[in-house]
Amino acid sequence: EAGVTQFPSHSVIEKGQTVTLRCDPISGHDNLYWYRRVMGKEIKFLLHFVKESKQDESGMPNNRFLAERTGGTYSTLKVQPAELEDSGVYFCASSQVAGGSYEQYFGPGTRLTVT
Amino acid sequence: GQSLEQPSEVTAVEGAIVQINCTYQTSGFYGLSWYQQHDGGAPTFLSYNALDGLEETGRFSSFLSRSDSYGYLLLQELQMKDSASYFCAVGRSGNTPLVFGKGTRLSVIA
Repeated sequence: EAGVTQFPSHSVIEKGQTVTLRCDPISGHDNLYWYRRVMGKEIKFLLHFVKESKQDESGMPNNRFLAERTGGTYSTLKVQPAELEDSGVYFCASSQVAGGSYEQYFGPGTRLTVT
Repeated sequence: GQSLEQPSEVTAVEGAIVQINCTYQTSGFYGLSWYQQHDGGAPTFLSYNALDGLEETGRFSSFLSRSDSYGYLLLQELQMKDSASYFCAVGRSGNTPLVFGKGTRLSVIA
């Protein structure tokens, strides 16, 4: 079974530019989460999808961040325009809905550097 | 608000036992999870406690006391490959987003 994959692994952009991160969850996982870890700090929740619907977006920092999950499969997270404080590692995770599952499967992350 | 406290760093000798504590304050609690993350890697699930008591999985064990809002991860027979960051995390229900602690960096030395 393939794990959660994320693309790109690294991205270096200038302030004001746009970046789009992609996450492919484990096949069949309806829950998809985006998290971010800023250097030295905790992993913080950004957004939760159930299939194609946004279940919880309370962690999104501001309206420069836009997440989509068309068709309930892969998801994209766009940052436009990027600011210096957006630098960090963006993780995607997925989990099953049924069966009382509590394990979230994380991807390797996208390291975003805004200069 | 929700917060989890865990030590920032722990150093232990290869072959020894180490305990990483976690205390939490959350509005709504479903269970306490532990994740391991090696540098540059993905956080990977280690264990989960929904009820009080000890859960054992090989060299790793996790404990929870709901009345004390406290848990710990116990690593036995430490190996060099156990050097990593360890995060405790709580969720309000089975599929809700996790709230993470800041992580404990474990260094295993010879």
